[in-house]
Amino acid sequence: LAKTTQPISMDSYEGQEVNITCSHNNIATNDYITWYQQFPSQGPRFIIQGYKTKVTNEVASLFIPADRKSSTLSLPRVSLSDTAVYYCLVGGGYNKLIFGAGTRLAVHP
Amino acid sequence: GAGVSQSPRYKVAKRGQDVALRCDPISGHVSLFWYQQALGQGPEFLTYFQNEAQLDKSGLPSDRFFAERPEGSVSTLKIQRTQQEDSAVYLCASIGASGNTDTQYFGPGTRLTVL
Repeated sequence: LAKTTQPISMDSYEGQEVNITCSHNNIATNDYITWYQQFPSQGPRFIIQGYKTKVTNEVASLFIPADRKSSTLSLPRVSLSDTAVYYCLVGGGYNKLIFGAGTRLAVHP
Repeated sequence: GAGVSQSPRYKVAKRGQDVALRCDPISGHVSLFWYQQALGQGPEFLTYFQNEAQLDKSGLPSDRFFAERPEGSVSTLKIQRTQQEDSAVYLCASIGASGNTDTQYFGPGTRLTVL
């Protein structure tokens, strides 16, 4: 399973766009890239998943370059409620999720 | 809305006690997963069921950990003779038969504290 590297923490302010980049140099051809969000005292929640180029949903956008060795989660106009830990995962067809330590995003007023 | 539920939400045990943690997956979900999350870390896989069959238990840290899902719905994670290093949040997740294994639905977790 491909290993991922992402920043330990990030700070932002309300209304700003936040971009969290994840490196996954050893991604396999059939691997998807998936991002989860976790609030304190809650389980992780699926945010978005993609394979290549760009994916957008009502919560976030995911940008994946052609070489797929990295990906960027983009959160538009963050609010205080976006303060959470964000996990980047790489895999496909496996029966378990492999989480790293994630990125702790703090959004300030 | 019937999401994944877990009980108890909090459990305090004295070292050496046995504990049982319950997971109620989303109704009809075939696959069920248990994860352990230490403070400040990401969740780590423990075990996986498809219906009542335990197909992967490679993540269970010791033979003190035991999981079951006898009727293919509710699951119980049992920890015997608890140790302080067992203190963590235990998360349960499920997906449906046609679900993508990368998009699991998680419960709120049970926070276990072993004194």
